[in-house]
Amino acid sequence: KNEVEQSPQNLTAQEGEFITINCSYSVGISALHWLQQHPGGGIVSLFMLSSGKKKHGRLIATINIQEKHSSLHITASHPRDSAVYICAVRRSGGYQKVTFGIGTKLQVIP
Amino acid sequence: EAGVAQSPRYKIIEKRQSVAFWCNPISGHATLYWYQQILGQGPKLLIQFQNNGVVDDSQLPKDRFSAERLKGVDSTLKIQPAKLEDSAVYLCASSPGWNTEAFFGQGTRLTVV
Repeated sequence: KNEVEQSPQNLTAQEGEFITINCSYSVGISALHWLQQHPGGGIVSLFMLSSGKKKHGRLIATINIQEKHSSLHITASHPRDSAVYICAVRRSGGYQKVTFGIGTKLQVIP
Repeated sequence: EAGVAQSPRYKIIEKRQSVAFWCNPISGHATLYWYQQILGQGPKLLIQFQNNGVVDDSQLPKDRFSAERLKGVDSTLKIQPAKLEDSAVYLCASSPGWNTEAFFGQGTRLTVV
């Protein structure tokens, strides 16, 4: 079993829909990252969170440390949101190795 | 602020050839990471530097891969000799410290034929 599991792996949505991507992990962490990767490979960090909730524009990220679960929400989705969204966890202890999920490929259709 | 710079962006080589990738992290960032991302998979950490010292290289195939960060700034990742399964995007990232948010470069897409 992978240390970081994301669901769904693929998601197609109509423009304007509310989107949720889920991330579950099985190790103790000090932080969780949500990353966005566009075709061509560039990765942009969206959020780093260790508790609660963060919001940036139409993006919201939540984390429940007890349940080892995080969600990324996109409100009023737009075709430019089409990308791969990757969950990564920073393990607690030592140099805090980062483990990545496989990613969720999102396509928003106009 | 300039981001993480990587070169080349694309590289095609034949198997058994050698290849090197270069990364210039954000100025002042002590931690530098090299990741390998095979198509359809999440990134996998190859090596993590803290300044010019190696913190984690447990997933680096040391028989063919090597990396250095001699002056604690730029880094190079080398593959010698390359295999077909090395075809991937090689991502470099840097962060101010090992417990802070990382910034990624655009990556180098390697195709081994």
